[in-house]
Amino acid sequence: AQSVTQLDSHVSVSEGTPVLLRCNYSSSYSPSLFWYVQHPNKGLQLLLKYTSAATLVKGINGFEAEFKKSETSFHLTKPSAHMSDAAEYFCVVRPYGGNNRKLIWGLGTSLAVNP
Amino acid sequence: DTEVTQTPKHLVMGMTNKKSLKCEQHMGHRAMYWYKQKAKKPPELMFVYSYEKLSINESVPSRFSPECPNSSLLNLHLHALQPEDSALYLCASSQEGGRDRETQYFGPGTRLLVL
Repeated sequence: AQSVTQLDSHVSVSEGTPVLLRCNYSSSYSPSLFWYVQHPNKGLQLLLKYTSAATLVKGINGFEAEFKKSETSFHLTKPSAHMSDAAEYFCVVRPYGGNNRKLIWGLGTSLAVNP
Repeated sequence: DTEVTQTPKHLVMGMTNKKSLKCEQHMGHRAMYWYKQKAKKPPELMFVYSYEKLSINESVPSRFSPECPNSSLLNLHLHALQPEDSALYLCASSQEGGRDRETQYFGPGTRLLVL
């Protein structure tokens, strides 16, 4: 079975310090992986995606993530947090084959940024 | 342009009312999705349309009735809802065909309150 685990439900950082949001996945095949962000009372915005090309993926707003097959991880990082980064972040797997329209969602990580 | 629009932004309805949620995209995407999201939870897939045909129904109660009148529009008709149906309803769309094309882009959502 395929699954996604976001290792932290809450992360709190100070403005200007690095951000690390951790995600591990389980999949028999090489999946497609995504990070989405949801600001309070807003929809979901795609931050970045890994499909099959470069393992280091750059996204919007200075975020990036590295696909590490050996560690089955897809952690999201940003060198310097901004107040506007405070939001809910979801790590998502699109399964390979079968019902691959049904995305597998992590439970989310709530990021707080302190002044 | 990766814009999906949804109307209305907010909706309050009684349990005997009939209402509709609307979603529109002009990206030429041929797959469209409805999701339901409760507070502090990841979205749950409800329906998927592919080339205007219903391809996935995730055992959603019949009081929710989707409709895809054309490739740009997706409706969700609501009738006799229950208070537990109160949630954020998200629409998404994607291209069809191939791992790199099926990224889902989300609208801002309709926040529904059933009294």
